[in-house]
This record gives sequence, C-alpha cells and structure tokens, in this order.
Amino acid sequence: GQSLEQPSEVTAVEGAIVQINCTYQTSGFYGLSWYQQHDGGAPTFLSYNALDGLEETGRFSSFLSRSDSYGYLLLQELQMKDSASYFCAVRDNNAGNMLTFGGGTRLMVKP
Amino acid sequence: DSGVTQTPKHLITATGQRVTLRCSPRSGDLSVYWYQQSLDQGLQFLIQYYNGEERAKGNILERFSAQQFPDLHSELNLSSLELGDSALYFCASSPTWGSGGKNEQFFGPGTRLTVL
Repeated sequence: GQSLEQPSEVTAVEGAIVQINCTYQTSGFYGLSWYQQHDGGAPTFLSYNALDGLEETGRFSSFLSRSDSYGYLLLQELQMKDSASYFCAVRDNNAGNMLTFGGGTRLMVKP
Repeated sequence: DSGVTQTPKHLITATGQRVTLRCSPRSGDLSVYWYQQSLDQGLQFLIQYYNGEERAKGNILERFSAQQFPDLHSELNLSSLELGDSALYFCASSPTWGSGGKNEQFFGPGTRLTVL
C-alpha cells in the first residue's frame, strides 16, 4: 500500500523559515505534490516534483530525493496568511492521476 | 476561485438516505476527481473520470457511485448513508488524465455532508 508521513503540527514566527518534511512509501512513484488548505477552504496546488532537486516558486520551494523517498516544502519569509494545513501527495499510478495524500501538517505562524 | 463549482455547499440528511453531489469542472478540463475529507481519515481519493469514462478508483465504498456526463459535469451518489459518511467531499479537475506537466488538480469549494 501507500503511506506518507509528515509532522502533524509546526509553529513558527512571522518572517522566519520553516521546513515541512514528507516521507513516502509507494508501490510506484510518478511525482510528489504539495497543497495548501486554509480552514474551511479547498486545497490549492503549491508545487510538484517529478525529478530529484529543488523547485522554487516565490517564497515557497519544494525538494525531492527519490532515492530517499523524501521531500520537503520550504516556506520563507513567513507571513500570518501562511497559517494553514500543508499536504504532501504522491501520484503512484500511471493509469490515472489519483493522488494519495499525507495526513497534513498544520502550520501556525505567530507574530 | 479555482473555476470548479460544487453544489450544494451544505447537506444535512438522515442515516439510510441517498444524496447526490454535483460538480462542474473548470472550462476545458476533461478529468474530474472526487475526494473525501474527514477528521479521522484525512483527504482520500475516491474516483477519477476522464472524458466520461472511469479512469482510476480508490477506496470507494460500494454504496457510493459516480458518473461524468457528456457536458463533463460529474455527480457523486451516496446511498444508505451512515453516520461515518459525514465529511467534506471535494471535486477537483485537471486538463488531462495525468501524464506530464505539473500534475496540478484544481479543487472546488467542497460539499459538507452531515448525516444525523
């Protein structure tokens, strides 16, 4: 089966940098995605890594190491609006595009 | 606003009943996905349709069924409802069935189902 592990909660202060780790076990692997979800809202796409290395999008970066089955999301210059849940998700089936999500990491940004 | 619409926003019903959730994908998107989000199970993939055909299936219960219509909107039917079916149900869409690109899915606002 598939499983993804990520910390349940992380707290950081405004302006700081925070890293949210994700380790996965899947029968197949076609990429690691990150989604952000504010309370009561819909998940929104942040980033995707299919190959090893770092992908940067503004204040957010995502890293993947396929040999270690590990990735992380790096959030820089934290803002209060970054308080949300962050989910890593793997695409592990080439027959479709189904995503298997981790349990989510709740990030609380304090002033 | 992702461009994906879902109705209704909230639904309250009783055990044993049947409900239908509706989703309209973003203009031009051919794939529709259904996810269930509950407190104890997290965000779980249910089923994917691509251009009217079932493409991938997750741990969807036999009491649940879905379809995608020629105009590409999709409906998720939940029957013989149980208390444990109370959850947030999300629909998402993407342009293709999944190969290549950013693998991005666009989520609708969700339907909150409460079974009493």
